[in-house]
Amino acid sequence: DAGITQSPRYKITETGRQVTLMCHQTWSHSYMFWYRQDLGHGLRLIYYSAAADITDKGEVPDGYVVSRSKTENFPLTLESATRSQTSVYFCASTNGKGTGELFFGEGSRLTVL
Amino acid sequence: GESVGLHLPTLSVQEGDNSIINCAYSNSASDYFIWYKQESGKGPQFIIDIRSNMDKRQGQRVTVLLNKTVKHLSLQIAATQPGDSAVYFCAEKTKGNKLVFGAGTILRVKS
Repeated sequence: DAGITQSPRYKITETGRQVTLMCHQTWSHSYMFWYRQDLGHGLRLIYYSAAADITDKGEVPDGYVVSRSKTENFPLTLESATRSQTSVYFCASTNGKGTGELFFGEGSRLTVL
Repeated sequence: GESVGLHLPTLSVQEGDNSIINCAYSNSASDYFIWYKQESGKGPQFIIDIRSNMDKRQGQRVTVLLNKTVKHLSLQIAATQPGDSAVYFCAEKTKGNKLVFGAGTILRVKS
């Protein structure tokens, strides 16, 4: 089915381990985003990408790395996970035209022990 | 950044009543303001948007009002239904098609 998919949906890891969250969209949208959602903070932008091979930092980028070698994929890597990175992570995409409405994935719930 | 507490504001309404959810924004340069609905365990879903040069826009059972003088946005839901129970976020579109989200409001619909 067309859309935006995230994997894994649930992940438990330990402090210091590397974790990669995957995001794949089938619309060929130019823009892709990673947000984290914590209670009381709404959604905060981690990184975004305007096109393949173009990425930029958002509001809370520390501790995260992204890449965008293909338009449809936008993986998010936690190089050395910390407990403060326990959160729900949402990937989103848009074609950037008009309102710039974002289409969100179902989220990846990450727990760092 | 914004200052938020640990708990989201909650609006409880009776089924069939109208709901009004409010939001304050900070960036006067935003060209679009958007409302999202998030059900438990799911990603946010687009409800309605409004361009910055408008003050009102209506959709199906929803109306968004924009008051640029006081930087205030509201979402009105007519004849609220149990399926409207969710967390509602306002967002403002900034440079680079980025959205900046508010903290959210929980809407609870009592049957």
